[in-house]
Amino acid sequence: KAGVTQTPRYLIKTRGQQVTLSCSPISGHRSVSWYQQTPGQGLQFLFEYFSETQRNKGNFPGRFSGRQFSNSRSEMNVSTLELGDSALYLCASSARQGFYGYTFGSGTRLTVV
Amino acid sequence: DAKTTQPNSMESNEEEPVHLPCNHSTISGTDYIHWYRQLPSQGPEYVIHGLTSNVNNRMASLAIAEDRKSSTLILHRATLRDAAVYYCILRDGGGADGLTFGKGTHLIIQP
Repeated sequence: KAGVTQTPRYLIKTRGQQVTLSCSPISGHRSVSWYQQTPGQGLQFLFEYFSETQRNKGNFPGRFSGRQFSNSRSEMNVSTLELGDSALYLCASSARQGFYGYTFGSGTRLTVV
Repeated sequence: DAKTTQPNSMESNEEEPVHLPCNHSTISGTDYIHWYRQLPSQGPEYVIHGLTSNVNNRMASLAIAEDRKSSTLILHRATLRDAAVYYCILRDGGGADGLTFGKGTHLIIQP
């Protein structure tokens, strides 16, 4: 079956702009979570959605937001981009919350200039 | 989430077993032990998870100490494709707070 699909794969934006990233989970998976990966901070949890509701949020400023649609697809938005937002953004899906394994996408590489 | 401690890096030879250790002395009774790995230029990949008993799957085995304060991921016969960063993560069984990744262990496989 198809894996987790993230689009676009690469993105270059200018400081101050906003960006929207998309994630299509594995068919049937209802939980979608987002992570930011940078060389300095490693992998950090952004937020998790289940059945269109945000269940938890990591320690990121309000410029980072997300949503989940009825078909479980998810988007994350970053407003007023800063140079430090340059990172690999990863999406992961799971059949349910809790102790089930997550399947990750290949990520969106965002570069802010 | 409780904290885990892993060696920064390990090196092994191809076709030999690899034992990746993880210490989690503050683990709680409801914490599951998860292992993920991240190959270069890819997202993390689920490897295995367990609660108390040892677990086996097609990728690896997970050996959990009797007191649950440590665990070991075992790759029975390493290949070059197993070169990756391996993350040991504790997660509450009913949690919705995502995965807390540490620095992980960078596994180097020598041909």
